[in-house]
Amino acid sequence: EAQVTQNPRYLITVTGKKLTVTCSQNMNHEYMSWYRQDPGLGLRQIYYSMNVEVTDKGDVPEGYKVSRKEKRNFPLILESPSPNQTSLYFCASKVGGGGTEAFFGQGTRLTVV
Amino acid sequence: GQQLNQSPQSMFIQEGEDVSMNCTSSSIFNTWLWYKQDPGEGPVLLIALYKAGELTSNGRLTAQFGITRKDSFLNISASIPSDVGIYFCAGQLGRDMRFGAGTRLTVKP
Repeated sequence: EAQVTQNPRYLITVTGKKLTVTCSQNMNHEYMSWYRQDPGLGLRQIYYSMNVEVTDKGDVPEGYKVSRKEKRNFPLILESPSPNQTSLYFCASKVGGGGTEAFFGQGTRLTVV
Repeated sequence: GQQLNQSPQSMFIQEGEDVSMNCTSSSIFNTWLWYKQDPGEGPVLLIALYKAGELTSNGRLTAQFGITRKDSFLNISASIPSDVGIYFCAGQLGRDMRFGAGTRLTVKP
């Protein structure tokens, strides 16, 4: 089954404690991205990756890091989480950077206290 | 970065009613997409539009790509309780993909 898998689904952590949210896709997609979803703001892109070892900032990259060492995996790293990063995070993948549909993971609800 | 203007923000309708929502932008897009998000899940693609003026249906859903390439609408006919959720529009130009803030739909039986 074609899917995008995120882990964990829920996470509560304390300010400053480094964390990683994993994302994996089994569709051999080149393009992967991370979004955060906040009430009234919709989905805002954090980082995206056009292919292995190619990453770039989205609209709200501050406080986040990513890496793309393998095609299927695109982890999101919060080196020093802060309460304003409490949000619902989605990973997505698609075939290419152009006009093709994106497939989303189920989301990771992060709470930073 | 600029997001799309999606309206309405929320809708409360009776089962069986038709629903209409739309997205506008000051920028043009090559692709318009409509997603639905169920509670606790990620967005799932409903309809993709690739050409200005295109009108596409998927069951009870109909969406159109505006001829100016700056807007799109989604209609849902004869709503049912499982239509409940948040509907997002997305516009895409090259690698740039923008989302609306979402329309939260509630359907009363």
